[in-house]
Amino acid sequence: QVQLQESGPGLVKPSETLSLTCSVSGGSISSYYWSWIRQPAGKGLECIGRIYSSGITKYNPSLKGRVTMSVDTSKNQFSLKLTSVTAADTAVYYCAKSNPWFDPWGQGTLVTVSS
Amino acid sequence: QSVLTQPPSVSGAPGQRVTISCTGSSSNIGGGYDVHWYQQLPGTAPKLLIYANTNRPSGVPDRFSGSKSGTSASLAITGLQADDESDYYCQSYDSSLNWVFGGGTKLTVL
Repeated sequence: QVQLQESGPGLVKPSETLSLTCSVSGGSISSYYWSWIRQPAGKGLECIGRIYSSGITKYNPSLKGRVTMSVDTSKNQFSLKLTSVTAADTAVYYCAKSNPWFDPWGQGTLVTVSS
Repeated sequence: QSVLTQPPSVSGAPGQRVTISCTGSSSNIGGGYDVHWYQQLPGTAPKLLIYANTNRPSGVPDRFSGSKSGTSASLAITGLQADDESDYYCQSYDSSLNWVFGGGTKLTVL
């Protein structure tokens, strides 16, 4: 079955850009929607946005302007870039297949914003 | 403050039935958008529990059930077990905010 794995730096400095990649295995990334979701420690879930395998994106309005998602079908990967990060962006970041429900999820990766 | 409102906590004894509510508005649940439920055990990624209001993915016990009416939805868990102790989140779509989650409910098995 499809499995997802997030990767990227665990520490990002304030005002810099957070970059994460989600690798999809066990199935093709093509013809599906894929999402990024984050969760600050001890808090709830927030969907950052979604990308279709063709590259069409839709972002959470609260983050619009700072978020860019992209997809690389040749590598079966999709990516997230979040610019001008602050401490409020510190969270566990998950990637997930968007069905439109989210399933399956990656294991998550903690990104800390700190100097 | 989440767009979808869940009780912060619920509890029940082993074997009992508990329900978790998820209240939205006309721009999300009441607008006809489906509700999905997730279980998140401590330190792990959320796991899909119920999709499209009432459907269970394969492998999810039939002790878990979902319902939706008007601007609200509910998750019911019967025959409560110790390993049901977890955080539960509802999720839907909002016509203004896109994908929205409830704030989460912590289930304690007494």
